[in-house]
Amino acid sequence: DQQVKQNSPSLSVQEGRISILNCDYTNSMFDYFLWYKKYPAEGPTFLISISSIKDKNEDGRFTVFLNKSAKHLSLHIVPSQPGDSAVYFCAAKQGGGADGLTFGKGTHLIIQP
Amino acid sequence: EADIYQTPRYLVIGTGKKITLECSQTMGHDKMYWYQQDPGMELHLIHYSYGVNSTEKGDLSSESTVSRIRTEHFPLTLESARPSHTSQYLCASSTTGSYNEQFFGPGTRLTVL
Repeated sequence: DQQVKQNSPSLSVQEGRISILNCDYTNSMFDYFLWYKKYPAEGPTFLISISSIKDKNEDGRFTVFLNKSAKHLSLHIVPSQPGDSAVYFCAAKQGGGADGLTFGKGTHLIIQP
Repeated sequence: EADIYQTPRYLVIGTGKKITLECSQTMGHDKMYWYQQDPGMELHLIHYSYGVNSTEKGDLSSESTVSRIRTEHFPLTLESARPSHTSQYLCASSTTGSYNEQFFGPGTRLTVL
C-alpha cells in the first residue's frame, strides 16, 4: 500500500516555463518531506525539504509547497532549464520513528527546448 | 558535496554465488541506509544503522544481511544470489537528528542470471 504517491509518471515542460511536480501522501504521521532528483546511473541528489510546521520553502529556482489538510505537496521549478530533465522523487519521514524515507515512484521531467 | 561511494557499480553474477556490495562514506555520518529500487518503482528501505554495531531491518523484507564494524563502512551481503535479487541497490548516509537529508551513493546495479 503506497503511502507516498506521484501520480504523473512523466511531465514535459518547455524551457523557461514553470514545472510543477505533485505528490500526495496518506500517512498523517509524516512530518518531514523531501524532494530528490535522479539522473540515470546515478544516486538521488537532495534538492529541497519542508517540515510540517511550514507551508512553503524556497531555494533559488525551487519552491516546495505543503498543504497538510489535503496531504499534498508540490515542487515548483521556475524557470525550467534543460539540466532539470531528470526523475524527481518525493519522499516523506516520520519524526521520531524509524529513520528511513518513504519514497514515491518518481516523475520523469522532460524539459523541451 | 556528499562523499559516499559504492562498489561495484555494475555486477552480473550467476545464481548461488555469494556477493558483497560495498558502501563507504567519508563524512563521519553515524546513520547509514540501504535501499532497493526496481526500474520505474520507488526506493524501498531494506536495512539501516544508527552507528557501529547497530543494524536494523527496514520496511521491505530482504534476504540480504549487513554489518557495521566501522563508522564509514556499511557492506551488504547476499549469501546465495538468485534472479529475484536483480535490482539496483542504493546506499545512503545522514547526520544524527530526525530532520536531516540523506546523501546517496551512485548505486550498484545487480543482475543475477
